[in-house]
Amino acid sequence: DQQVKQNSPSLSVQEGRISILNCDYTNSMFDYFLWYKKYPAEGPTFLISISSIKDKNEDGRFTVFLNKSAKHLSLHIVPSQPGDSAVYFCAGRENNDMRFGAGTRLTVKP
Amino acid sequence: GAGVSQSPSNKVTEKGKDVELRCDPISGHTALYWYRQSLGQGLEFLIYFQGNSAPDKSGLPSDRFSAERTGGSVSTLTIQRTQQEDSAVYLCASSFPWGGNNEQFFGPGTRLTVL
Repeated sequence: DQQVKQNSPSLSVQEGRISILNCDYTNSMFDYFLWYKKYPAEGPTFLISISSIKDKNEDGRFTVFLNKSAKHLSLHIVPSQPGDSAVYFCAGRENNDMRFGAGTRLTVKP
Repeated sequence: GAGVSQSPSNKVTEKGKDVELRCDPISGHTALYWYRQSLGQGLEFLIYFQGNSAPDKSGLPSDRFSAERTGGSVSTLTIQRTQQEDSAVYLCASSFPWGGNNEQFFGPGTRLTVL
């Protein structure tokens, strides 16, 4: 039962442009959504989150948008930088149970 | 350091052998999670511990997998009679049990290779 889905396994963008990573979920009981970033040979690190009662949260170059009616969220990175190249995981939380998507590999080309 | 630590960092074993993977969570974190990431796959939830409550084992793929958490701190994931499909990176994460965004802090993982 995949409660969180990231349908794009990879995304390639040019440096300076916007990166948009998408995530869909099925569990309407999620109260928080989080994005994690993972470099090779390292554990994922927290990037940004959004409460289910909000529709937008911004932190520097990173903005997460939540559309509850569509059960969809997205992460926008602008401007994209080569150092942003990593795998990005979307996660939904219900109480303390966290479910992750399969990840999207972002490549930012110089 | 003050982060989540896991040992060993790499483990190569023969098919059919048992393996134990260890996780030391951040001090004070009562929630502990195990995930695995197979080659080309996302994070697959395995098991979740919260304080003294019964663990959520719903993600364990078979009865060859088990985990325990002693004293509410260190956790051990055991895989019995390993199979080649068990090869993956096993990640442990810990967090506070409530409040805020419940950010999980991940360890560096244990790369398991079953020959």
